[in-house]
Amino acid sequence: DGGITQSPKYLFRKEGQNVTLSCEQNLNHDAMYWYRQDPGQGLRLIYYSQIVNDFQKGDIAEGYSVSREKKESFPLTVTSAQKNPTAFYLCASSIGGTGGDTQYFGPGTRLTVL
Amino acid sequence: AQSVTQLGSHVSVSEGALVLLRCNYSSSVPPYLFWYVQYPNQGLQLLLKYTSAATLVKGINGFEAEFKKSETSFHLTKPSAHMSDAAEYFCAVSRGGYNKLIFGAGTRLAVHP
Repeated sequence: DGGITQSPKYLFRKEGQNVTLSCEQNLNHDAMYWYRQDPGQGLRLIYYSQIVNDFQKGDIAEGYSVSREKKESFPLTVTSAQKNPTAFYLCASSIGGTGGDTQYFGPGTRLTVL
Repeated sequence: AQSVTQLGSHVSVSEGALVLLRCNYSSSVPPYLFWYVQYPNQGLQLLLKYTSAATLVKGINGFEAEFKKSETSFHLTKPSAHMSDAAEYFCAVSRGGYNKLIFGAGTRLAVHP
C-alpha cells in the first residue's frame, strides 16, 4: 500500500534535548511538508520541500530544522531552541509543489515535553 | 494576503439532520480550496477540493461544497448526518505558486442520536 508513515506515534522529550521525527512516503511525490497542530489553531506550516536537496522555511520555522537527502524521506528535528514544542506534528506530501496539488497526510506524531 | 475563516468552532447536529460547516476565504487570485476531515489522534483526510472546474464539488462520504465567488465562501454540506461524521473539519486555501496551504482553525462536528 502506498502512503505516508510517521514515527514514532508518541514522543517524549526532556527540556534541552533535540529530537527527530521521521516521515517517509512511498507515493513517489516530489513535494513534502511539515505542519504543527495546536488546539484551536488549525495547522501551521513549519518547512516544505519541493525537491530533493532543497527546502524552504514556512511560517513557524524557528527552533526546527529539516533535511531532504532522499525523495522519500523528510525528517524534522525539534531543537532545544524551540520554546514550546509540545504539539501534534503532521507530515504531508504532494505529487508536485504547485498550487492545487492535493496534499496527503501521515498519521502524525504527538510530542510532549516533560 | 490569503486567509481562511471557519465560522463556528463547534457545531452540533442530530443524526439525520443537515450538516452545514461554513468557510470563507480571502484571496487576491482565483483560489484552490480544500476540505479535510480529522478523526481524533489521526492525520487529515481529503474530503474534496475546488480547482475551478465546477462550482459544486462532490466529495467522499456524501459531502459536497459550493464555491461562491461573490460571497468568497466554500461551505461544506451533507444532507443527512451520520454518527460516523463526528470529527474535526478543516477548510484550507492554497497559497501562491508553491502549494502552501493556509488552514482555518477547524470546526468540531458533534452528531447526537
